[in-house]
Amino acid sequence: DAKTTQPNSMESNEEEPVHLPCNHSTISGTDYIHWYRQLPSQGPEYVIHGLTSNVNNRMASLAIAEDRKSSTLILHRATLRDAAVYYCILRAWGSGSARQLTFGSGTQLTVLP
Amino acid sequence: NAGVMQNPRHLVRRRGQEARLRCSPMKGHSHVYWYRQLPEEGLKFMVYLQKENIIDESGMPKERFSAEFPKEGPSILRIQQVVRGDSAAYFCASSPSDRNYGYTFGSGTRLTVV
Repeated sequence: DAKTTQPNSMESNEEEPVHLPCNHSTISGTDYIHWYRQLPSQGPEYVIHGLTSNVNNRMASLAIAEDRKSSTLILHRATLRDAAVYYCILRAWGSGSARQLTFGSGTQLTVLP
Repeated sequence: NAGVMQNPRHLVRRRGQEARLRCSPMKGHSHVYWYRQLPEEGLKFMVYLQKENIIDESGMPKERFSAEFPKEGPSILRIQQVVRGDSAAYFCASSPSDRNYGYTFGSGTRLTVV
């Protein structure tokens, strides 16, 4: 599986934007970029995913570099509820052995009031 | 839509007993994935099932662990003769297909082996 690299931890102030980076220099052409987050004592929660173009949904935005070797998850206005571990995951399209998500260690986001 | 339902939420077993963890996927989802999260560690894939079929069990320990997803009813993760090292949070996720949809995870079952 192509590997992703994320900072271990980040801090943000409440009500400010947060940019969570992810490097994936060995990404292949068929890899989708997925983001999940895990709040304390809960299961992971899907946030967003994309292939090449930037993506927006009600939770966040995903900015994908033109060469696709990196991406950034953007929370437009952090709240205390956004404090979680954020995982950046590559998932290949249509390959049997890569149907499952492979979680790394993620980025622990702390939101300061 | 109640989401992915896992039960029990907490399970305590003595060493040597059996643990049965249940997962009901979201309505309309026929693909189920089980993950394990050991204390202070990341999520590790265990097994991927579709109705009545195991598609990928590459993450399952070879002994004592089994999973099923019958035509009717929830998916079951079964751990026989539990040991202390099995203590972990077990999460189930579901998706409507194996294409690139997001997974919906349940809240997990926290197994404690005493």
